[in-house]
Amino acid sequence: AQKVTQAQTEISVVEKEDVTLDCVYETRDTTYYLFWYKQPPSGELVFLIRRNSFDEQNEISGRYSWNFQKSTSSFNFTITASQVVDSAVYFCALSEAGTGTASKLTFGTGTRLQVTL
Amino acid sequence: NAGVTQTPKFQVLKTGQSMTLQCAQDMNHEYMSWYRQDPGMGLRLIHYSVGAGITDQGEVPNGYNVSRSTTEDFPLRLLSAAPSQTSVYFCASSPSPGTGPNSPLHFGNGTRLTVT
Repeated sequence: AQKVTQAQTEISVVEKEDVTLDCVYETRDTTYYLFWYKQPPSGELVFLIRRNSFDEQNEISGRYSWNFQKSTSSFNFTITASQVVDSAVYFCALSEAGTGTASKLTFGTGTRLQVTL
Repeated sequence: NAGVTQTPKFQVLKTGQSMTLQCAQDMNHEYMSWYRQDPGMGLRLIHYSVGAGITDQGEVPNGYNVSRSTTEDFPLRLLSAAPSQTSVYFCASSPSPGTGPNSPLHFGNGTRLTVT
């Protein structure tokens, strides 16, 4: 069975601080996808990134960066110079890559990030 | 460009009532799914479909029925609502893996359901 663990329930930072959200996953599959979604206070789910299990390169998108390490089954998300607009709940998710599973995500319980002035 | 549309946005039911949560997508996606979101539990998969006429159970299917008669629509039915079904429900869609780069799930904006 797949499992995603986000051990940090809630994080509070002051604006401009860097913050890392942890994600640890479990799967028996050799091929899989990892995702991060953002859920702002308005409630919608916003896609941030997808990473497949064969690509361990770190990725940077503006102030966002992701560190994928298969050796530790982790896919951590860092926000550099956080802003108030980054306040949201962030979900890490895991999907098997085989046929029929593109719509089946296993989500972590989420990390609520509060950025204050 | 509507994407994934869920109706209604809010619903209050009494125990034992039935209702259907509607979900429609206009992206010609093969894959659709329903999730429920509860405090402290993230999102959990209820049912999913890999194409018209094909559905399967997810992690928490009990109390819910689905059907997929068209590519566009994937309604979720509660036959006899229970307070335990109070939750926020999200519908999602994605193209099948063989149609190119595996796209992320596109989520609707959710339906907040309260069962009293």
